[in-house]
Amino acid sequence: AQSVTQLDSQVPVFEEAPVELRCNYSSSVSVYLFWYVQYPNQGLQLLLKYLSGSTLVKDINGFEAEFNKSQTSFHLRKPSVHISDTAEYFCAVSGGDFGNEKLTFGTGTRLTIIP
Amino acid sequence: KAGVTQTPRYLIKTRGQQVTLSCSPISGHRSVSWYQQTPGQGLQFLFEYFSETQRNKGNFPGRFSGRQFSNSRSEMNVSTLELGDSALYLCASSLEGFHEQFFGPGTRLTVL
Repeated sequence: AQSVTQLDSQVPVFEEAPVELRCNYSSSVSVYLFWYVQYPNQGLQLLLKYLSGSTLVKDINGFEAEFNKSQTSFHLRKPSVHISDTAEYFCAVSGGDFGNEKLTFGTGTRLTIIP
Repeated sequence: KAGVTQTPRYLIKTRGQQVTLSCSPISGHRSVSWYQQTPGQGLQFLFEYFSETQRNKGNFPGRFSGRQFSNSRSEMNVSTLELGDSALYLCASSLEGFHEQFFGPGTRLTVL
């Protein structure tokens, strides 16, 4: 069985300050890791993914996440946040075996940017 | 390429009724998964369909069912609705062998 822990349910951050959203996972098999973002009244948008290869993954908007196998973590970071980053962020894990693509989600972290 | 579409976007039902939600995946995607999102339980996996067959199932009662058609479109059905079934129901599609899932906007179901 897999599980995901997001310890911080809410994170307030001043605009242009750095932020880290923490994610730890538990799994007995190799996993794929994801960060999804959800804006109000919308579905989930894929932000970052770790499937294999480089443990540091980045997106074009400045978000990055690092897969740390020894610490079973996949923390999300951004060096300078903007008002538009206000949203809920979900960490998720899926099994590494073929045909088992169901996602197990953490409880989410609500990021609030303070002007 | 069009994204995942879900209909209807909003639905209000009363206890005891049944409801059918529809999901059209991204063209070429044959895997469709359904998730329930509630404030109390968060995001929970309902089931996954691939090539018209249910491949994985979450821990939901038998009142929750689904199916997939030959064009990969999927429907989920909830019978004998309960107040606790009020939730955002999200559908996601993916390409076979690729673990990233693409989500639709969801159907918000309110049970009165």
